[in-house]
Amino acid sequence: QQQVKQSPQSLIVQKGGISIINCAYENTAFDYFPWYQQFPGKGPALLIAIRPDVSEKKEGRFTISFNKSAKQFSLHIMDSQPGDSATYFCAALVSGSARQLTFGSGTQLTVLP
Amino acid sequence: DAEITQSPRHKITETGRQVTLACHQTWNHNNMFWYRQDLGHGLRLIHYSYGVQDTNKGEVSDGYSVSRSNTEDLPLTLESAASSQTSVYFCASSESRVGETQYFGPGTRLLVL
Repeated sequence: QQQVKQSPQSLIVQKGGISIINCAYENTAFDYFPWYQQFPGKGPALLIAIRPDVSEKKEGRFTISFNKSAKQFSLHIMDSQPGDSATYFCAALVSGSARQLTFGSGTQLTVLP
Repeated sequence: DAEITQSPRHKITETGRQVTLACHQTWNHNNMFWYRQDLGHGLRLIHYSYGVQDTNKGEVSDGYSVSRSNTEDLPLTLESAASSQTSVYFCASSESRVGETQYFGPGTRLLVL
């Protein structure tokens, strides 16, 4: 059972464009939603995260939008750069109890120069 | 600097052989995790540990085992390697109290022939 569904599987964007990756979750107990960025040959690394008490969080060119009623959240990359080309994973966690992350299936982003 | 390392980085083995993948972290984190990464599936949890002598099964634990004899290490053993276990394996760790941000190792690429 896939508890976090991520789309699209792949995304190609021109330099300077906006990249948008979407995730939907099922478990209403999730209360922490991070995004991880993975470059080829490397392990994933935390990019940005949000809790459901806010609808948006912005860090530089990266923004998470969160819709609690729809059980959806998305990552927006503004002014996308070739250096942003990577695989992005959304994830969800129930804080405190299990401490286990449930990951989406990943989105391979390619930013064309 | 604290880090998490995995060895070997690449491994080729034959069906039926026992294989052990090493994971070592110097963060002094109590929580450690093993994931496998396969195209279209994202990161799936194999086993995890919340401290010395504690081990728990994850989503895809069949055919794998772990042991935790100290804080720093969580080796992953494939009891009898199968071709279906060809994958990229990632180890991760997180702090015990908060436990939200997981720090990933560089991965081990395993090919079972």
